[in-house]
Amino acid sequence: GAGVSQSPSNKVTEKGKDVELRCDPISGHTALYWYRQRLGQGLEFLIYFQGNSAPDKSGLPSDRFSAERTGGSVSTLTIQRTQQEDSAVYLCASSSPGLALSQYFGPGTRLLVL
Amino acid sequence: RKEVEQDPGPFNVPEGATVAFNCTYSNSASQSFFWYRQDCRKEPKLLMSVYSSGNEDGRFTAQLNRASQYISLLIRDSKLSDSATYLCVVNHGGTSYGKLTFGQGTILTVHP
Repeated sequence: GAGVSQSPSNKVTEKGKDVELRCDPISGHTALYWYRQRLGQGLEFLIYFQGNSAPDKSGLPSDRFSAERTGGSVSTLTIQRTQQEDSAVYLCASSSPGLALSQYFGPGTRLLVL
Repeated sequence: RKEVEQDPGPFNVPEGATVAFNCTYSNSASQSFFWYRQDCRKEPKLLMSVYSSGNEDGRFTAQLNRASQYISLLIRDSKLSDSATYLCVVNHGGTSYGKLTFGQGTILTVHP
């Protein structure tokens, strides 16, 4: 079946602009996660959605970052007033009910802020 | 101190070699442990979970030492296709259930 998809695959933007990154999880997966991976670094947790529960936003680095998950499926990560340090690969993952720790990742969105 | 620490390598080994990676974690309350594999410019993929009693999957053996807060991955009879970055991953459970904490990864290159 289809895996996690993300769009765009690459995004180049100017400092100060807003960007929206999209994630489409695996059908039936109730949990959705966003991570950030800077060049040569491990993944940093950003935010976690589980069903209808309030999201765990504890990893969002600043109030410029926000995420929504509409209808329990597609999610959008928004970065406002982008900064050069926001340049990274943004990875989305999803997992099925009861198997939150078996996370399947999408290919990521490579964001470059000039 | 980072929550999950790994030797970044790189490890360069010939085909057929045995190679071991180590990882330490700082939170003694951590409950679940994993090794992920990430190919160059690709997304991470789950390689194997790590159980307290140690577990094996083909050429791969994972071990956990809770007392020392230490995780290892052993790869026997290395193949060219094993070349990748290996990520040590920890979950703290409880209110952090679902949130994975990743090490920075260990780079492995297997050469002919």
